[in-house]
Formats: sequence, C-alpha cells, structure tokens
Amino acid sequence: TQLLEQSPQFLSIQEGENLTVYCNSSSVFSSLQWYRQEPGEGPVLLVTVVTGGEVKKLKRLTFQFGDARKDSSLHITAAQTGDTGLYLCAGAPDNYGQNFVFGPGTRLSVLP
Amino acid sequence: GAGVSQTPSNKVTEKGKYVELRCDPISGHTALYWYRQSLGQGPEFLIYFQGTGAADDSGLPNDRFFAVRPEGSVSTLKIQRTERGDSAVYLCASSRGLPYNEQFFGPGTRLTVL
Repeated sequence: TQLLEQSPQFLSIQEGENLTVYCNSSSVFSSLQWYRQEPGEGPVLLVTVVTGGEVKKLKRLTFQFGDARKDSSLHITAAQTGDTGLYLCAGAPDNYGQNFVFGPGTRLSVLP
Repeated sequence: GAGVSQTPSNKVTEKGKYVELRCDPISGHTALYWYRQSLGQGPEFLIYFQGTGAADDSGLPNDRFFAVRPEGSVSTLKIQRTERGDSAVYLCASSRGLPYNEQFFGPGTRLTVL
C-alpha cells in the first residue's frame, strides 16, 4: 500500500514570512500533484510534477519533486492571508494507474 | 464554463438506508473519480471511470458501495445499508484522462448517517 505523509500537520505564520511544507513516501510515484482546499470546497489543483528533480514555480509558490520521485516540497515566499488553507499532495502510482493516493494535508494559517 | 457539480450538497440518512450521490463532470472529460474525505484527512480514492467503464474500483471499501456511469458523463455513487462509519464528504473529480491527470473537483456531498 502506498502512503504519503505530510509535515507539518499544522502551521501558523505571520504574513510576509516564508515557509516550506513537505510530502514524503517510501514509494515511487509516476507524478505528484499539489492541491489547496478551503472549507466546504473541493481541492483545487496547483501543480503537477512529473520528472524526478523537477522544479516548478507558480508566482510565490515553488514546487520540487525529489530525484527519486518519492517526495516533494512546496515553498511559499512572502506568505499572504489568501494562502490560508489545507495543502494536499497526491501521488499517481508508479504503474501510471489512476488510484491516486492523497496525504493528510498541511493546514496553513497566515495571520495578518 | 461550468465546473464539476455534485448533488445533494448535504444528505442526512438513518443507519440501514440506501443513498445515491450524483456527480456531473465537466463536459468532455472522459475520466471521473470518486473519493471519500473524513474529517482531518485527505481524500481517499474509491473508484475511477474511463468513459462508461469502471477502470479501477480497488478503493471501494466493501460490496455495499457501487458506482455507475452509464453514458460516460453523469455518475452515481450508491451506498446500500448505510452505516455510521460511512459518514464523510464524498468528492467527485473529472479530468481529460491520460496523460493529463489534472483533476477538477466538485464541492462534495456531505453524508451524515445517524
């Protein structure tokens, strides 16, 4: 069974600070996705990383896929209150199956 | 354009009853997914459709759960003999299918079994 762990579970920071959240597994994934979810809504896709070592930037967000395709990180520069939410990572199995595995999420609060 | 819609948004039922949850995917999306999300956890994969067929139903917890997608568009998740442990938010997502894998989620149906 493939599992994804995320850390930290909770993070509360001041506006303007930088932060990094992590997504780790002992399993290899063919791709990994990051989502943000707000209360009462479904997750919204932020990025998909496919190649080991890949780095993608989305404005103030930087995503990295580990060289071995087992882990990923999300770095936010100069956090804003609008970044508040639950950040989820999801991995597609290495056999390109569609039974995505989600981590439990990191709940981020950015305070004004 | 319209996103993924799910109905009802909330469903309260009694233990032992039968429920149906509906998902309307984005028009033209061939892939459709059902997930279950319990409080404080990430979504848990239930089933994946490619077109009309269930390509992977490995996440369905037992035979009380069943899903259909008869015309390759709307899907219905059916739960028989509901149990209190079935209480969760049921999420549906659709995508254009491989190789894109970019899932667009609906707002979910919150199921409460009393």
